[in-house]
Amino acid sequence: QLQLQESGPGLVKPSETLSLTCTVSGGSISSSSYYWGWIRQPPGKGLEWIGSIYYSGSTYYNPSLKSRVTISVDTSKNQFSLKLSSVTAADTAVYYCAREDEMAVAGKSMSYWYFDLWGRGTLVTVSS
Amino acid sequence: DIQMTQSPSSLSASVGDRVTITCRASQSISSYLNWYQQKPGKAPKLLIYAASSLQSGVPSRFSGSGSGTDFTLTISSLQPEDFATYYCQQSYSTPRAFGPGTKVDIK
Repeated sequence: QLQLQESGPGLVKPSETLSLTCTVSGGSISSSSYYWGWIRQPPGKGLEWIGSIYYSGSTYYNPSLKSRVTISVDTSKNQFSLKLSSVTAADTAVYYCAREDEMAVAGKSMSYWYFDLWGRGTLVTVSS
Repeated sequence: DIQMTQSPSSLSASVGDRVTITCRASQSISSYLNWYQQKPGKAPKLLIYAASSLQSGVPSRFSGSGSGTDFTLTISSLQPEDFATYYCQQSYSTPRAFGPGTKVDIK
C-alpha cells in the first residue's frame, strides 16, 4: 500500500528557506499517470495548493508562490522535495504532500485529476 | 485563475439528517470538481472526483452532482463519523484551487 511521509525542520527563521521532503513508500514515484504535489494549510484556515511535479521533472506552480517555490524529484530515492524561500510568518502552516492521480475518459480531451493519497502533514512554524 | 466558493461556511445537523453542501466555480469547469473530507488534525480524504464519481471505499451515503459552475455534495443520512470539514477543489486548470470549506458539526 503506497504511503507518503513528509519530513523536515519544524521551525524556520524569517527570511530563510523552508525545505521539506516527501518520501514515497510501497510504490514507485516513477509510475506514469501521477503527479506529486504539495498543499499547505495555515492553522485554522483552508487548503492552498503550492505546486506539483511529474517524475520526469516537469513542474507547475501556484503563481501566487511561484517566485519563491522550487519542487524537485529524486527518483533514485523515491522522494520529491519542496523549497520555499524568503519565508515569513504567513508561511506558517501544515504542509502536506499528496499524489495527484489521473483518470482519462474516452471522448474527453482532458483527464480528470484528483489528490487521492496524502501524507499525514508536517507543521512548519516560521519564527525567530 | 478560477475561484471556488462554498456555502454554507458551517452548518449544524443531527445524526440521520440529509445534508447538502454547495460549491460554485467562478467560471465553467465542466465536471472537473473533487470533494474532500477533513477531520481535525488529519489530512484531507478524497470522497468524490469528477463531480460525481465515488472514490473507492467511501460510503454510498456520499454523492456528488453538478456541472459547469454549480456543484453539490450530499450526505444522505449523516453519521457520527461524518462530522468534519468538507472542501471542494477544481482540477480544470492550474492553479488548482480549493473552496474555503464547510464545517459540519453536531446540532
